[in-house]
Amino acid sequence: DAGVIQSPRHEVTEMGQEVTLRCKPISGHDYLFWYRQTMMRGLELLIYFNNNVPIDDSGMPEDRFSAKMPNASFSTLKIQPSEPRDSAVYFCASSSGGAISETQYFGPGTRLLVL
Amino acid sequence: KNEVEQSPQNLTAQEGEFITINCSYSVGISALHWLQQHPGGGIVSLFMLSSGKKKHGRLIATINIQEKHSSLHITASHPRDSAVYICAVRRGTDKLIFGTGTRLQVFP
Repeated sequence: DAGVIQSPRHEVTEMGQEVTLRCKPISGHDYLFWYRQTMMRGLELLIYFNNNVPIDDSGMPEDRFSAKMPNASFSTLKIQPSEPRDSAVYFCASSSGGAISETQYFGPGTRLLVL
Repeated sequence: KNEVEQSPQNLTAQEGEFITINCSYSVGISALHWLQQHPGGGIVSLFMLSSGKKKHGRLIATINIQEKHSSLHITASHPRDSAVYICAVRRGTDKLIFGTGTRLQVFP
């Protein structure tokens, strides 16, 4: 298995632009998580899905952030409009087994820089 | 005060040393995770614990639910163990709460 796939690996954009991050979970996994990592705040859970349905989005910073999972093999995290404080590494992770406490497999991350 | 605290924040060791990283939490939990983040940024899940002890190769993780404390031990440390080790807990809801990490450097 190729593991969790994220694209792009790096993104540099200007303030105000729309940014879309993509994630392909491991086949057969029914949980998908989006995390953000910054130097100041460390790792934070933004949102997670179970069977393509958003379960908890309380970690999403504000309305500029949205996430979708149209099918079991694809999810997007969108920031519109982007701001410099959104600069971070965004990780996607997936797991199976029916509970968030199962082992999560992380993607390589997308390093976002908003100028 | 953070709900999940790790110590030390930074740790250096000589190859072969026994290493301990600590994690304390202040809330009731149902599970605790130890993660490893490599210098290149990749994150690997090492352990998920709800009680007792787990061992994988040179890594051992323990948890004491009553004392709200977990430790990650590395025996016979090696330079390739150099990474950031992150503790995360699950409480109440399904949300994971992360510690700030312990940066480990092992020198040959």
